[in-house]
Amino acid sequence: NAGVTQTPKFQVLKTGQSMTLQCAQDMNHNSMYWYRQDPGMGLRLIYYSASEGTTDKGEVPNGYNVSRLNKREFSLRLESAAPSQTSVYFCASSEETDNNEQFFGPGTRLTVL
Amino acid sequence: QKEVEQNSGPLSVPEGAIASLNCTYSDRGSQSFFWYRQYSGKSPELIMSIYSNGDKEDGRFTAQLNKASQYVSLLIRDSQPSDSATYLCAVRPSGGSYIPTFGRGTSLIVHP
Repeated sequence: NAGVTQTPKFQVLKTGQSMTLQCAQDMNHNSMYWYRQDPGMGLRLIYYSASEGTTDKGEVPNGYNVSRLNKREFSLRLESAAPSQTSVYFCASSEETDNNEQFFGPGTRLTVL
Repeated sequence: QKEVEQNSGPLSVPEGAIASLNCTYSDRGSQSFFWYRQYSGKSPELIMSIYSNGDKEDGRFTAQLNKASQYVSLLIRDSQPSDSATYLCAVRPSGGSYIPTFGRGTSLIVHP
């Protein structure tokens, strides 16, 4: 099992460019999440998907859109990148249970110039 | 706003010592508690979860939960330099949401 995979690992964008971050999991989890992590700020939830076909905003959704393509895949799109979106992006998945242990992908390091 | 607080550190301990990492939370009805380890440049990795008051041991790691005082701690016995990492506390809040709130993490340095 690969667990949670993310592509790309690194990306440099210019202000105003768009891109999509891809995430896939092979653990048959219902729930998937996108976080960003900035120095001193911890993990902040951008969007999540409780199950296939549903998505909800998290703490910092502005400037992002998501698509839950199927049970395995959850993508994050930046329509018009801004320098404030320079960050490390993590995708995670979990069973929607009382315990909700999350499993994280390796991350995408994004720089917006 | 349901908060999870951790001392950012760094916490520096000698090899072989016990490292004690603490986390407090504001939501008294919180259900589940997690400790993640994050090495520099890597993603968080779940190392312990605890759901009821008391201690839970797994190898060199012990999680301690005190719901009355609203804190959860992680003890690492016989600390090794390979334990040097940032440790994130996460708390599942009450109110039906299953999404945990993360603390900002404590940096641990184990020196030889």
